[in-house]
Amino acid sequence: NAGVIQTPRHKVTGKGQEATLWCEPISGHSAVFWYRQTIVQGLEFLTYFRNQAPIDDSGMPKERFSAQMPNQSHSTLKIQSTQPQDSAVYLCASSAGNERLFFGHGTKLSVL
Amino acid sequence: AQSVTQPDARVTVSEGASLQLRCKYSYSATPYLFWYVQYPRQGLQLLLKYYSGDPVVQGVNGFEAEFSKSNSSFHLRKASVHWSDSAVYFCAVINTGGADRLTFGKGTQLIIQP
Repeated sequence: NAGVIQTPRHKVTGKGQEATLWCEPISGHSAVFWYRQTIVQGLEFLTYFRNQAPIDDSGMPKERFSAQMPNQSHSTLKIQSTQPQDSAVYLCASSAGNERLFFGHGTKLSVL
Repeated sequence: AQSVTQPDARVTVSEGASLQLRCKYSYSATPYLFWYVQYPRQGLQLLLKYYSGDPVVQGVNGFEAEFSKSNSSFHLRKASVHWSDSAVYFCAVINTGGADRLTFGKGTQLIIQP
């Protein structure tokens, strides 16, 4: 089992460009979560899916952030018109439904 | 809304000494409680969890935590730390139904001095 796979590990974008982050959950896990990690804010919840359906996106900045889970094997987080304040480590986690989360290594997004 | 407070952003301990990392939660009922650890350049890993029963739960690598309902706390302890324990430790809470997302504290960076 390779664990939760996130790609790319690092992404550098210019201000105003789009960034798409990918997450492959552990096979058989029914829930996928996205978090954002910064020094100042710590770990912030963004959104999560259960059985591919969006359940809670209360942490998502509404205007430029979107997340999808088109099939059970991957989820994407898209940030349009990236801004310097979007720079963070974006963490994806999956769960078999028993509350324990398994995290990926994260994608470090740097917006110049 | 549920919240988690880790009052110490950084804790420095000498190798071989004992450790306590503090965690306080705010929640209307008794939630499920977790401690996760993040080693440098790695993802978060589960150390231990509390669902119910014995308030002292054992985790990996000699860590344990004690749940106190009266104090709304879930402090992490270790009797003798090793240099490899240097990491950031996160306390987290989820509602007992599980149909919700994990809420994390801001983390405590543990620094082990030789």
